[in-house]
Amino acid sequence: AQKITQTQPGMFVQEKEAVTLDCTYDTSDQSYGLFWYKQPSSGEMIFLIYQGSYDEQNATEGRYSLNFQKARKSANLVISASQLGDSAMYFCAMRAYSGAGSYQLTFGKGTKLSVIP
Amino acid sequence: NAGVTQTPKFQVLKTGQSMTLQCAQDMNHEYMSWYRQDPGMGLRLIHYSVGAGITDQGEVPNGYNVSRSTTEDFPLRLLSAAPSQTSVYFCASNSGTRLRDTQYFGPGTRLTVL
Repeated sequence: AQKITQTQPGMFVQEKEAVTLDCTYDTSDQSYGLFWYKQPSSGEMIFLIYQGSYDEQNATEGRYSLNFQKARKSANLVISASQLGDSAMYFCAMRAYSGAGSYQLTFGKGTKLSVIP
Repeated sequence: NAGVTQTPKFQVLKTGQSMTLQCAQDMNHEYMSWYRQDPGMGLRLIHYSVGAGITDQGEVPNGYNVSRSTTEDFPLRLLSAAPSQTSVYFCASNSGTRLRDTQYFGPGTRLTVL
């Protein structure tokens, strides 16, 4: 079974500063994918960034980067130069094989990020 | 493309009533899923489908029914609503089962069961 742990229920960051949101995972699979999603107060789920377990480089997408440490089973999201619009819930998720030919996404409980002007 | 659409956006039910949450996607995705989101719990998988005519249970399937007669549609049925089913429901789709296939979410349905 796969498990995602996000230990920070809420975080605050000053506008224009960088912030790291923590995510650790547990799986016995060698092949897996890690995702981060953003959920603003409007409620939609927005895909941010993906990291594969065999990807040699850490993923980056604009101001988002993923600090992937495979040995520690961590996949922390780094947001650089925070903006007020970054205030939202952030979910870490993992896709791994879950039997019967299916690959399921397992979500963490989320971190609520608040950006202070 | 409209992406993943869900109806209704809001719904209030009385205990024991039944209803169907609608989900449709126009991206020709084979893989579709239903999640529920409760405060402090993240998203939990209810049911999923890997193609028309094929469905399977997720983590929290009790009290819900699904069917997949077409690639586009994946309705979720509440058989006899209970207050414990008060939640936000998300439908999602992705093109396949590759690890990096992004899952696209609908806007959600907020359901309250009294």
